[in-house]
Amino acid sequence: LAKTTQPISMDSYEGQEVNITCSHNNIATNDYITWYQQFPSQGPRFIIQGYKTKVTNEVASLFIPADRKSSTLSLPRVSLSDTAVYYCLVGPSGGSYIPTFGRGTSLIVHP
Amino acid sequence: DTGVSQDPRHKITKRGQNVTFRCDPISEHNRLYWYRQTLGQGPEFLTYFQNEAQLEKSRLLSDRFSAERPKGSFSTLEIQRTEQGDSAMYLCASSLGNEKLFFGSGTQLSVL
Repeated sequence: LAKTTQPISMDSYEGQEVNITCSHNNIATNDYITWYQQFPSQGPRFIIQGYKTKVTNEVASLFIPADRKSSTLSLPRVSLSDTAVYYCLVGPSGGSYIPTFGRGTSLIVHP
Repeated sequence: DTGVSQDPRHKITKRGQNVTFRCDPISEHNRLYWYRQTLGQGPEFLTYFQNEAQLEKSRLLSDRFSAERPKGSFSTLEIQRTEQGDSAMYLCASSLGNEKLFFGSGTQLSVL
């Protein structure tokens, strides 16, 4: 399984764009990159998934460079409600892959 | 609500007692996972089912833990002879094949 590295914590202010980068140097050819968000006392929630280049949905954008050794989750104009832990996972789309979570990045958005 | 539901939300027990948690996954999902999470850590994999078959169990999982998924629908996780170190949030998730996970809100266990 590809190991991921992301910052333990980040701080931002309301209205700013937040970029959280995840390193996954040994990503395999058939691996996808998936991000989850977790609020206190709740289970994680899927945010976005991508394989290469850029993926955008109503919540976030995911940027993946050509070598795929890292990825960046971009949250536009954050609000206080975006305060959460964000997890980056890397794994294949098929087979018996078991999603493995690290400690994630704790994002705190200040007024 | 058609999401993943877990029961109870909170459980307080005394050391040495047995506890059982229930998870109802999204109905069409064939995979069901159990994770455990302590403060400041990410969810830690415990076990998973594909339909009614338990396909993998974490090597870290004590023999005091057992999980079932009869008929491939709901699942139960039982912890026998609880210890204070078992205090954690127990999360259930389901998925369709190997697609994204949908988590429940978890059961917070406190062992006194």
